[in-house]
Amino acid sequence: DTGVSQNPRHKITKRGQNVTFRCDPISEHNRLYWYRQTLGQGPEFLTYFQNEAQLEKSRLLSDRFSAERPKGSFSTLEIQRTEQGDSAMYLCASSLIDRAGNTIYFGEGSWLTVV
Amino acid sequence: AQSVTQLDSQVPVFEEAPVELRCNYSSSVSVYLFWYVQYPNQGLQLLLKYLSGSTLVKGINGFEAEFNKSQTSFHLRKPSVHISDTAEYFCAVSSPSGTYKYIFGTGTRLKVLA
Repeated sequence: DTGVSQNPRHKITKRGQNVTFRCDPISEHNRLYWYRQTLGQGPEFLTYFQNEAQLEKSRLLSDRFSAERPKGSFSTLEIQRTEQGDSAMYLCASSLIDRAGNTIYFGEGSWLTVV
Repeated sequence: AQSVTQLDSQVPVFEEAPVELRCNYSSSVSVYLFWYVQYPNQGLQLLLKYLSGSTLVKGINGFEAEFNKSQTSFHLRKPSVHISDTAEYFCAVSSPSGTYKYIFGTGTRLKVLA
């Protein structure tokens, strides 16, 4: 079990640039989630996939944000035309649908700083 | 809609003293409850979870939590803390139907003092 892997771990970008984060979930997990966490706050749900289908997007996910999970394995989160307000940690998580409860396993997160 | 309230933003406690971190939730349906710990610059690690059954749940690192349905609470406790327990602790709720996302509280920063 290699856990949820995210990269890059840190990204500093200039306002207006595009950034992309990648997430590799635990191999057998069919659900994948993206959360955003700002300083002093708990993680906030952004979106989730079941296999390759994106089933829900939060209102936090503006048109500048897009997430994909093309083959139901890894996922990417792209932010276009970054703004300073996008500075946050982006957490990826995965889970396996089962009857025992939906325990979500988180990655280490990707820090984004927009300057 | 579900929500989670962690009233204490910071809790300082001396090493080897007991600690309780409070969590209250609001939900119109039955819930699953979770506590996660986050060390600096790291992701979240599951401490324990309540799904059903016994209301006293034991987790890793000596932590335990008690589910109280009448008070809609899920407080986290440890009888004797260590310096290494210094971290941010998050309470989260999800629904057994769907259970596809968690709602997190704002977190409690536990600071263990020598």
